[in-house]
Amino acid sequence: GAVVSQHPSRVICKSGTSVKIECRSLDFQATTMFWYRQFPKQSLMLMATSNEGSKATYEQGVEKDKFLINHASLTLSTLTVTSAHPEDSSFYICSAKTAGQTDFYGYTFGSGTRLTVV
Amino acid sequence: GQQLNQSPQSMFIQEGEDVSMNCTSSSIFNTWLWYKQDPGEGPVLLIALYKAGELTSNGRLTAQFGITRKDSFLNISASIPSDVGIYFCAGQRLGAQKLVFGQGTRLTINP
Repeated sequence: GAVVSQHPSRVICKSGTSVKIECRSLDFQATTMFWYRQFPKQSLMLMATSNEGSKATYEQGVEKDKFLINHASLTLSTLTVTSAHPEDSSFYICSAKTAGQTDFYGYTFGSGTRLTVV
Repeated sequence: GQQLNQSPQSMFIQEGEDVSMNCTSSSIFNTWLWYKQDPGEGPVLLIALYKAGELTSNGRLTAQFGITRKDSFLNISASIPSDVGIYFCAGQRLGAQKLVFGQGTRLTINP
């Protein structure tokens, strides 16, 4: 089945620095990637949708200059948290699908990245 | 962002008991999904529902797509310790790529 690899699984960074999270589709072409944020004991909140080769579409309230998304290839999307602050500490999860895919069993999530900003 | 109304928020049950949880929405969804998330992991899809009224099983799990397209339920029969986790419903509207998630149901099982 479709596999999405997300790295790193955990990262601790100092306030003011930037952190990059990678999401790779290992055995399929991810034409669309979704980035979610999840606070403790809360649900997944969609941050942005990125289509390969296009600019990401951000959800209302998500700062595009703070959460930079790059989806330059069909197998890799990155989320960079710029000038991180403690309130950015969260669990970030990516999800990927192929164009025209309507079967959700192929709509795969990564294993998540726990970001802690100190 | 908008979320689905998922209940209950948490459940504490004995091993072997059946579990039922549901999601409701004020608007129509074209697809309903049920996911399970273990601590520190991404969600894993359990069941996908594509048609109103559809009843689908996956082992001890059964889920239904409500006739009104505004609700769905998930049942787990004869719970076992590995069923512990957080269960999320999710919906997708017609023509939309993104999913809308419920708030989650945290399942705890007492041995």
